[in-house]
Amino acid sequence: AQSVAQPEDQVNVAEGNPLTVKCTYSVSGNPYLFWYVQYPNRGLQFLLKYITGDNLVKGSYGFEAEFNKSQTSFHLKKPSALVSDSALYFCAVRGDTGRRALTFGSGTRLQVQP
Amino acid sequence: GAGVSQSPSNKVTEKGKDVELRCDPISGHTALYWYRQSLGQGLEFLIYFQGNSAPDKSGLPSDRFSAERTGGSVSTLTIQRTQQEDSAVYLCASSVRDSSTDTQYFGPGTRLTVL
Repeated sequence: AQSVAQPEDQVNVAEGNPLTVKCTYSVSGNPYLFWYVQYPNRGLQFLLKYITGDNLVKGSYGFEAEFNKSQTSFHLKKPSALVSDSALYFCAVRGDTGRRALTFGSGTRLQVQP
Repeated sequence: GAGVSQSPSNKVTEKGKDVELRCDPISGHTALYWYRQSLGQGLEFLIYFQGNSAPDKSGLPSDRFSAERTGGSVSTLTIQRTQQEDSAVYLCASSVRDSSTDTQYFGPGTRLTVL
């Protein structure tokens, strides 16, 4: 079975400060990891993914994520937060065997204060 | 290009009625997924289709739920005899192939409210 944990329901950060949204995972075999963002009354928008190779993945809107195999983590980061980054963020995992569907974390609400 | 589209965007129904939700995937995408997003359960997988293969129905919560995909493109999710616990946002996603590395692109969702 595969699972994702997002330990923080909400993260608050001041505009201009760096942000981190945490994610840890459990999966059999090689992990394929994804971050999505959801704005109010919208579907999920893809931000970035880790497949293989460089542990630091760069994605849309200045976001990046660091894959750490030993800690089974895939934390989302951004050097300087914007108010417009305020949204709900989901981490998801899929293994290279078994079900092709994504398994999602419970989501973390990011609130960036002006 | 056009993304995944879903209709209706909102659906209010009475308990016991049947509903149909539609998904148009991105053109050329062979894999199509349905998920449900609810307050108590988060985002959960329902069913997925890949080409002409038999669908993976392992996530469907009961036999009141069914889905089909006609012509390898449009998909319809049907919920029979709706219950209040079926109230949720139903999300559809598609990807180029049935591969673990392919990105799934999501539609805007259908918000279902069962009174």
